[in-house]
Amino acid sequence: DAGITQSPRHKVTETGTPVTLRCHQTENHRYMYWYRQDPGHGLRLIHYSYGVKDTDKGEVSDGYSVSRSKTEDFLLTLESATSSQTSVYFCAISANRGGETQYFGPGTRLLVL
Amino acid sequence: KNEVEQSPQNLTAQEGEFITINCSYSVGISALHWLQQHPGGGIVSLFMLSSGKKKHGRLIATINIQEKHSSLHITASHPRDSAVYICAAKGGATNKLIFGTGTLLAVQP
Repeated sequence: DAGITQSPRHKVTETGTPVTLRCHQTENHRYMYWYRQDPGHGLRLIHYSYGVKDTDKGEVSDGYSVSRSKTEDFLLTLESATSSQTSVYFCAISANRGGETQYFGPGTRLLVL
Repeated sequence: KNEVEQSPQNLTAQEGEFITINCSYSVGISALHWLQQHPGGGIVSLFMLSSGKKKHGRLIATINIQEKHSSLHITASHPRDSAVYICAAKGGATNKLIFGTGTLLAVQP
């Protein structure tokens, strides 16, 4: 299994509070991704990174920001959590850009009350 | 309309049956991925293919580029195959994946 961990694995928070999710990899892969998974939707890309300090938006980026200061860590921040951000969040990594297999972390369940 | 459509959404089979899950896409792609998500939530990549057919154990994935269609077959299905199977299309020049909503497979003993 690829070395990807996510923390926390479960979190309950209140509307309006900031939340940061962490993805950590030990594979030295260049690309890292944050997805959310909701019933009735496929996995949807929030943000991705193609290198240290290089990030770009995905299809559902509103309300989220990311940072990548080290190759191994990719942080997802909800500046002011809303109930619509209740979801399961997955981090993924891939070595290269073209057609590469993505390896997924175990997921973080976030409940915003 | 989603760019990646899967069918069926739900599938129940008896142990030993041959199973087919279908994936159609409307975008130009450079690769098509099949993934498996177990009840515990973990997601594992099964196949990545851009043409023809790939086989791994009892799993076979095929793709027809002209028809923009891919299938995942499971031979001699087993209860441990019960999971959600997800297809994802990778666009030509991008590293982003577009995911289908998944097929929930239950294999009964």
